[in-house]
Amino acid sequence: GQNIDQPTEMTATEGAIVQINCTYQTSGFNGLFWYQQHAGEAPTFLSYNVLDGLEEKGRFSSFLSRSKGYSYLLLKELQMKDSASYLCASNRDDKIIFGKGTRLHILP
Amino acid sequence: DAMVIQNPRYQVTQFGKPVTLSCSQTLNHNVMYWYQQKSSQAPKLLFHYYDKDFNNEADTPDNFQSRRPNTSFCFLDIRSPGLGDAAMYLCATSRDPGNLYEQYFGPGTRLTVT
Repeated sequence: GQNIDQPTEMTATEGAIVQINCTYQTSGFNGLFWYQQHAGEAPTFLSYNVLDGLEEKGRFSSFLSRSKGYSYLLLKELQMKDSASYLCASNRDDKIIFGKGTRLHILP
Repeated sequence: DAMVIQNPRYQVTQFGKPVTLSCSQTLNHNVMYWYQQKSSQAPKLLFHYYDKDFNNEADTPDNFQSRRPNTSFCFLDIRSPGLGDAAMYLCATSRDPGNLYEQYFGPGTRLTVT
């Protein structure tokens, strides 16, 4: 996915916390998206970070470090319905470039 | 209420038989995008329209074309589908290219080529 790297798969337990990391190419960078995508469905927007730091939105938080080309998505109090792929995507030169996604498996 | 609508949700076509996928939006957004997503891969931008201006990605095959007859509708035409074109096709919209924060995706059309 054009120099966006994120783990292919992760497994976590219901009720736990999981952090999904993403690194990206910094040239032309304007912001970093996280999307959730359930199997066979379209991506749904979770967050968009432009400035460095942590943004919290309910159980989900997203962090950005522009100087390091690094972001993470933090999911708390995991629920079974959080089983999905999580796509990191950069806004680069006014286009969204997607990573391949991290498939998150939640165990009961 | 659905804001970006794609029809059909599932499309089966034969190898080499032209097929058209449609997308409509009720948001009055200026930009409409088409992405191709193959299994376990990232969505790949094929092209986008900014108003009537067509912007093709450099690596989009000539087999893929698009039409935008008005603000609300955008079509993806695959002139001669091959087996490798089987994928989910996602339509998305945004108010303008610099306002990607408000990009909305449709539910996608899953294309099968037999």
